[in-house]
Amino acid sequence: KAGVTQTPRYLIKTRGQQVTLSCSPISGHRSVSWYQQTPGQGLQFLFEYFSETQRNKGNFPGRFSGRQFSNSRSEMNVSTLELGDSALYLCASSSFDIMETQYFGPGTRLLVL
Amino acid sequence: QKEVEQNSGPLSVPEGAIASLNCTYSDRGSQSFFWYRQYSGKSPELIMFIYSNGDKEDGRFTAQLNKASQYVSLLIRDSQPSDSATYLCARGGGGGSEKLVFGKGTKLTVNP
Repeated sequence: KAGVTQTPRYLIKTRGQQVTLSCSPISGHRSVSWYQQTPGQGLQFLFEYFSETQRNKGNFPGRFSGRQFSNSRSEMNVSTLELGDSALYLCASSSFDIMETQYFGPGTRLLVL
Repeated sequence: QKEVEQNSGPLSVPEGAIASLNCTYSDRGSQSFFWYRQYSGKSPELIMFIYSNGDKEDGRFTAQLNKASQYVSLLIRDSQPSDSATYLCARGGGGGSEKLVFGKGTKLTVNP
């Protein structure tokens, strides 16, 4: 099976802009979670989607949003970018066959200038 | 108190030695625990998961879980330079959620 794919892999934006990141889960996986990784805070949970519904949300401002489509692909959007949003954004997919076991994509590295 | 804490390291061991990585967690209701390996510039890669008290072995890796003491550990036997990476401990969110709560990771260096 192909792994989790994320696009784009690298992105440079300026403050105030918005960005949309995309994630395609492993075939057959219906749950997609998003994480932000920074050197200072480590890996932090953003949100989780299952069957097009957001099931869980981390402690991030409303500028961070996401959605999931009927084919389980997911997007996350960050509006009004701030310098502190520079991070590696990771998508993970999971199957309920092995509860909570998540497989990560390669990530999107976002740099906000 | 942070939910998942790891000894920050860095940890340095000689090739062929046993590397011991430790993790404690605060939520007694946690049921599932995961170890991920992350090479510099790469995304986390799942090594092992453990749900039950005791040891779970997979090749050179052994995960240990002690729910009474709220700690999880990962032992790497016969450490190789290719094991040099940051190791992330995570607990499952529980309640049907797929959310993982991660520690900040321990950087391991295996010296040839």
